[in-house]
Amino acid sequence: ETGVTQTPRHLVMGMTNKKSLKCEQHLGHNAMYWYKQSAKKPLELMFVYSLEERVENNSVPSRFSPECPNSSHLFLHLHTLQPEDSALYLCASSQEASSYQPQHFGDGTRLSIL
Amino acid sequence: QKEVEQNSGPLSVPEGAIASLNCTYSDRGSQSFFWYRQYSGKSPELIMFIYSNGDKEDGRFTAQLNKASQYVSLLIRDSQPSDSATYLCALDGGAAGNKLTFGGGTRVLVKP
Repeated sequence: ETGVTQTPRHLVMGMTNKKSLKCEQHLGHNAMYWYKQSAKKPLELMFVYSLEERVENNSVPSRFSPECPNSSHLFLHLHTLQPEDSALYLCASSQEASSYQPQHFGDGTRLSIL
Repeated sequence: QKEVEQNSGPLSVPEGAIASLNCTYSDRGSQSFFWYRQYSGKSPELIMFIYSNGDKEDGRFTAQLNKASQYVSLLIRDSQPSDSATYLCALDGGAAGNKLTFGGGTRVLVKP
């Protein structure tokens, strides 16, 4: 496999459910990111990890909980989400956690909250 | 004022013509600029990056950066129907370190 892979591609969940999104990168990068893309809004950065350490939390509600067990894997744990959390969630990686580095995106998880 | 502004479009371009996309930004400290292409239902794909004032060419794509005027543009020469997508401008947040800020994107439609 190459690039950045995300699973699942689609997820429908109720507001009381707990689910997790998974991201895996095969590029040997040291930084990983979670973004949220809502309709008619720019991409919003949620979290940045550098070598498994969280270096940025962009004022994200606590119902979103990231986990980075190693530099190749990134999870986003979801709990008690709201309808406005329905969006496309994108994972990205870059060589280092620097905004000078190009970021490579996965295909995203389309999340729908009932 | 939005940090990164793009005309949402759609920008309608005849096949074979030049598509010109513009992006303006507010943070004078920004140093790195990226253009991503996003097809409907797909992830953003990096197509160009530019760090210095002037033009940078890569195949049919040319990025132009003018830091004094705070804009970056993307030209697509010989536009093809396969270029129909949303083009996202992104730049670093200057003093904000490792954060990339994205514009809302410009939708381009190339008509045969």
